[in-house]
Order: sequence, then C-alpha cells, then structure tokens
Amino acid sequence: SAVISQKPSRDICQRGTSLTIQCQVDSQVTMMFWYRQQPGQSLTLIATANQGSEATYESGFVIDKFPISRPNLTFSTLTVSNMSPEDSSIYLCSADLTDTQYFGPGTRLTVL
Amino acid sequence: AQSVTQLDSHVSVSEGTPVLLRCNYSSSYSPSLFWYVQHPNKGLQLLLKYTSAATLVKGINGFEAEFKKSETSFHLTKPSAHMSDAAEYFCVVSDWASGTYKYIFGTGTRLKVLA
Repeated sequence: SAVISQKPSRDICQRGTSLTIQCQVDSQVTMMFWYRQQPGQSLTLIATANQGSEATYESGFVIDKFPISRPNLTFSTLTVSNMSPEDSSIYLCSADLTDTQYFGPGTRLTVL
Repeated sequence: AQSVTQLDSHVSVSEGTPVLLRCNYSSSYSPSLFWYVQHPNKGLQLLLKYTSAATLVKGINGFEAEFKKSETSFHLTKPSAHMSDAAEYFCVVSDWASGTYKYIFGTGTRLKVLA
C-alpha cells in the first residue's frame, strides 16, 4: 500500500486568488490523480499526472484553471486558479500502486 | 465503456445486524473492482479488491464481497454491523479504455448504523 499526505488540509480563500495543494507519496509511483468531491457526492476526476509528461485533463477541466506539476515520482501539486465560490469543494489526490489507487485525506477548500 | 451502479443511496441497519451494499457493474472485459470507505472528513480507504482470482474477496474490518459474473454484481457484505461502520461506501471499477487508466466511481451509498 501507499501512504499519501496532502497540504493544506483545509483553507478559506478569497475569490480571484489561487491555492496550491501539495500531495506527497511515501513510495515512488508513476501515476497520480487529482479528484474533486462536492459535498455529499462522488469523486470527479480532474486529471491524471504521470511523471515526465504533461497532465491529462478530463472533460470540463482545463490546464489554465487547474495547472498541475509532477516534478518527481513522489510528489505532485494542483493549483486552483482565479478561484470563485463554485470551486469550493474537497480536492483529493491519489497514487496508483499495482493498479490500485490509494488516496490522500483531502483538502477542504472554501472560497468566499 | 465501464460503469458501476450503486443501487441504494442510503442504507440503515441496526448495530449487530448484517450489512448489504449493492453494486452492479458493466464491463466489456474482465474488470478489476474495488470497494472504498470514506468516513466523515476523511479520505478514501481501500476495503477490498477483486482482480479475477477468487470470486469471494475478504477485506478489512470484516467486510467481504462476491463477484458474480452472471449477475454483473459485486455486492459488499458484513455479518454484523458496528457503529464505526457508519460512513460513505464507493464501488469502483478500473477502466483501461483507449489505453488510459482511470477509476469509474459509483455514486456512493451512505450507511447509517442505528444503536
């Protein structure tokens, strides 16, 4: 298995600002993923972040709004840019080990 | 394309009684199926995983699931519910469509355990 940590665990931000969420894995992984979870709902995949290549975004998510970095095999960041109240959500990262994803605890974002 | 359907959005059971959370899947090939649990304000924890070995999969905390190809089901069960089982449960199928890998999530089942 893998242990995933995220920072920050929660934040309250003003509209128009940006927040960068960090995700750290305790082992080297090729594939990492970023999800959004609205309150009381299931997870929606934002993008897949493979080390050494550009992130692949799902329909409805664009790089300008959610830039992702993947500088090495244990770390990734997701930035939520030019935030609006509609971006208030929980953001989770995951890492794939042997075709099984392990999830971080999530970052709870509130945009005022 | 792969998909999963969780048949109940909410399930309530009394403590000490059996738990059944239902999941049906759609897959064009032999799937990998998972159950995850999410406690309030927590991330997702893997309960169990099916990958075409034994059809009855045992997971953590006394949970198990049975893969039934004829019924395209992967229901999660536990013989005796505990108060600590109250959480959101997600059934997931992994999808390798078009050479890319991703998880397909069900909509979740909220389990309530009554004292």
